[in-house]
Amino acid sequence: QKEVEQDPGPLSVPEGAIVSLNCTYSNSAFQYFMWYRQYSRKGPELLMYTYSSGNKEDGRFTAQVDKSSKYISLFIRDSQPSDSATYLCAWYGNNRLAFGKGNQVVVIP
Amino acid sequence: NAGVTQTPKFQVLKTGQSMTLQCAQDMNHEYMSWYRQDPGMGLRLIHYSVGAGITDQGEVPNGYNVSRSTTEDFPLRLLSAAPSQTSVYFCASSVHQGPYEQYFGPGTRLTVT
Repeated sequence: QKEVEQDPGPLSVPEGAIVSLNCTYSNSAFQYFMWYRQYSRKGPELLMYTYSSGNKEDGRFTAQVDKSSKYISLFIRDSQPSDSATYLCAWYGNNRLAFGKGNQVVVIP
Repeated sequence: NAGVTQTPKFQVLKTGQSMTLQCAQDMNHEYMSWYRQDPGMGLRLIHYSVGAGITDQGEVPNGYNVSRSTTEDFPLRLLSAAPSQTSVYFCASSVHQGPYEQYFGPGTRLTVT
């Protein structure tokens, strides 16, 4: 089983819709959870970072972590065309940083 | 602050040629790393360094060498290019090894024919 599983999509949504992205992981040593955003032909940049189970909000973005189920999610409210990008989940634990494959999101005006 | 810079942006090599991808950061970060990104494979760690003079292998190190003579620079050398090394290469840095924000460069698109 891969350490990090992320459905690559792509996911197309109309402007204003809620975007929901999910990742599952198998390594219980992972303790820190991140979402990176990558625009086309650019390097990834950190979007959100969380340590504990539960929800963390930052503007239109919410990261949700369920450590018991080894599952993390990213929700984007009121999606905008500028949110069109690839979103990568990432974990850190035991001196290892692991990335998911990325999920491409297209927000249609 | 330029952050993480990479050169070149694009490169085409013939099989068997060698080249060096340059990476530099101006944030005084101790930790630097190289990733390759392939469709359907995500980001895979090639080599990393926890400080000047210290390097170690990542997940896919074969065919690549690195060195870290200064805090700022972390070049990646392809010894004898193969078509399987066609990819987008990203350099990243963070303050230390650990659960810290990774700052990525803009990437180098490499094609090996």
